[in-house]
Order: sequence, then C-alpha cells, then structure tokens
Amino acid sequence: QSVLTQPPSASGSPGQRVTISCSGSNSNIGSNYVYWYLQLPGTAPKLLIYRDNQRPSGVPDRFSGSKSGTSASLAISGLRSEDEADYYCSTWDDSLRGPVFGGGTKLTVL
Amino acid sequence: QITLKESGPTLVKPRQTLTLTCTFSGFSLSTSGVGVGWLRQPPGKALEWLALIFWDDDKRYSPSLKNRLAITKDTSKNQVVLTMTDMDPVDTATYYCAHRTTVVRAFDYWGQGTLVTVSS
Repeated sequence: QSVLTQPPSASGSPGQRVTISCSGSNSNIGSNYVYWYLQLPGTAPKLLIYRDNQRPSGVPDRFSGSKSGTSASLAISGLRSEDEADYYCSTWDDSLRGPVFGGGTKLTVL
Repeated sequence: QITLKESGPTLVKPRQTLTLTCTFSGFSLSTSGVGVGWLRQPPGKALEWLALIFWDDDKRYSPSLKNRLAITKDTSKNQVVLTMTDMDPVDTATYYCAHRTTVVRAFDYWGQGTLVTVSS
C-alpha cells in the first residue's frame, strides 16, 4: 500500500493531452514539493518534474506538473508513442521522515 | 557526468544478510547537500524507498524496514553500502541507488539497478 495514491492506468491517443493525479496528505504533498518520475520498461526511473512544476534539462515542455493542497497532477500534452511508460509521483513525508512514492500509473498510448 | 552503479549478489538465501554496494562518480559525498539513497522495486510493483545517507553522515531509513537496514558511506572510495538482514522471498526486487541533493530534493540520477532474488 503506497502512501501516495495514483490511478493504476491512464490512456490517450497520439496528440491528445493526458493528466495523471497523485493524492496525499498534509504531512507529505500538503507541505513538501512533488516530484514525478518516468520509467520505461526494463529501465531505471528518470526524473521528469521536480519542485512541483520544474523540468530538468532535456525534458520536453510537453510535460508539466501542478499542485493544489494535498494533490498533484502531471500533464502530458501532444501525446507520443514513446510516452508509453510507468509514471510515479513522490514527495517527502514529514511524519515518516523520508521520501514516499505513489503506486505508479501505467500510461498507454492507443 | 554523474553515474552510479549497484553491485552485489544476484541470489541470496532466506534469512541471509544482503550487502549491496553503490559505486559512483561525478560527485563527492563530502560535498555539502549531497546524498545517496537506496530504493527497490519488486517485479511488476511500485518503487519503495529504503535508506538515505547525506554528506554529513545523517542517515534516514524507511520506518517499515528500519530494524533490518544499515547504510554507510566510504567517501574515499566513492561508495555507499546497504546491508539488509533476514532476507525473505518478498524482498526479491531490483535494487537501485540514486543521487540526491538538498537543493533539488529528488533522486535526479539513478543507477541501472540490480536484481536480487531471495530463494533457497
């Protein structure tokens, strides 16, 4: 059972916009930055979004993050086949005193 | 260029102790704000954070595994070692080490991971 709650799956057609939600609590998302990771099959996770809505160098601006209260979202616009992957949200939890993750969302590009 | 690589046994028996080493380059664990974490991912399941060690030797552990974990660093060798005692088949997973800073506060560079199977 993950501390953060994500939908197990999401899907969209090429060119569409998809959003993935991440729900937490006051001790984690409500008081800390949210991070998003992308994991392609058989590879290590890659940082996609940091500090709620910042993109590391090299991440396309098709990916954007937002946060409100104890929930966060990742939006992917102009969906491409190569976006098909697992997406994880993460943040720090003040009660657990460490990083926590969501259960992951498998994105399928139809 | 920051790189990390995990090494250790691919197969351990139940009740044995697992020792994994993360060897890194491109940064120093004696630099203020830098940390290295260990995470794992059972086959087909989600990521789970295990332990974190910072430049000042501050150590953090997952509350659910705290009694079984120990993390240490060897700054001169650019290595971080994780030990996990009393291994069980449910601990079968790909184990990752990753770089972290107190500025970005995320795991921004990851090793390729190493699959550890627990079986008799």
